[in-house]
Parts: sequence; C-alpha cells; structure tokens
Amino acid sequence: GESVGLHLPTLSVQEGDNSIINCAYSNSASDYFIWYKQESGKGPQFIIDIRSNMDKRQGQRVTVLLNKTVKHLSLQIAATQPGDSAVYFCAENYNQGGKLIFGQGTELSVKP
Amino acid sequence: GAVVSQHPSWVICKSGTSVKIECRSLDFQATTMFWYRQFPKQSLMLMATSNEGSKATYEQGVEKDKFLINHASLTLSTLTVTSAHPEDSSFYICSANHRLARQYNEQFFGPGTRLTVL
Repeated sequence: GESVGLHLPTLSVQEGDNSIINCAYSNSASDYFIWYKQESGKGPQFIIDIRSNMDKRQGQRVTVLLNKTVKHLSLQIAATQPGDSAVYFCAENYNQGGKLIFGQGTELSVKP
Repeated sequence: GAVVSQHPSWVICKSGTSVKIECRSLDFQATTMFWYRQFPKQSLMLMATSNEGSKATYEQGVEKDKFLINHASLTLSTLTVTSAHPEDSSFYICSANHRLARQYNEQFFGPGTRLTVL
C-alpha cells in the first residue's frame, strides 16, 4: 500500500499486479501534464503525457487519467515488472514559457 | 533522436571553488533549456529558464550571481556554480525543448550531474 515518509511516498506492489500512482497538481490553468520515471542517479525519462482537453490516454502498459475537477492525475501501470521500480513524478505546464512544475514523486517498489 | 547530454556526470570540488556544468542537445536545436536541482529523495526544483542569446530567467529564491547560466548557442547551455559550498551539493539536471517538438512543451532531460562540495 501507500505510505508517506519523510520525503517520498512509497508504493510497494507484487510483480504482475497493477500499480496506480496518484498526483495532485496545483494550478487549474495547467494545460499539459507529463509522467516521468526516474531511476537512481539518472535523469527523468518520459513515460506518457496528456493535454487538458482529454481525460484519459493509453500507452503501452500505461494509462494516464486526468480529473480536472479535483486537479488530480493518475498513472496506471499494468502487469508491473521489477524493471518498473523507480521514482515516478508528475509534472504540469501552465504557461507558454514551457516551464514544468514537478510533483512530489512516488517511489515504486516491485517485489518479485 | 532528441538526446540531451551533460558533462561532467559527476564532480567533486573544494569549498570556495567554481564548477561549470555543460548541457548539450546532441541531435536537435533547443529553443529553451531549463536547469533543475534535486536533493536526495526529493523532487526536481526548477532553478532557471535559459533562452539562447538572452539572459536566463531565475526562479524565486535562486541567486543569479551564484548560479551563472550562459546559453551560447541553440545546442549548448552552461551552469556555473560559483564559490561552491557544501550546501550546494546536489544533483543538477538540465532539459531542453525541441524546436520542432510534437508537443510544444515537451522537454528532453539530460542524465544529470552529481556535484559534491567538500
């Protein structure tokens, strides 16, 4: 289950289960959202994005859901694998300057 | 395509010295580059936005005289940490907007630079 530690919340799942990672974003004017995966000691890696005129977008094994009413974003990972273990960040863009504001992040741990 | 590199990947320096970190877009031209700082177990914090040929725009609380940004071309931005102190030890990450990106605000991230100040 989920827990909030001193810094990053953590989510521990069994290999093969589905994972759901949640994110609350801050600005109702944000029009573009991205999920990133970050492995230890590396830069963020793009997973999937969604524009504000959509509420769902699917990729390979991943789905992003957007609820603008409550400013909530979620990332669903199907059939989670050990290689999915990483920290996942949501990011929002709310101006034309292209600035991204990153969420707190969630550490996903996949148990074999 | 859309690869961003950083150099060095890690650096250790003495307190009081200056360190320069390079960010390059290898196979595309970047309209804008961004610099982030990340402390252990924390999120990425945007430090500044850098446009080629103009002054960088710094986020609130980031000292522009301490973190010097030079954006010399559409493929290169540098971050210089001047008079580094142990509290500047962090993971510094750059990103770049592809000039012809499918998503107008899609950013491509570098692998990061680990700075340790002794």
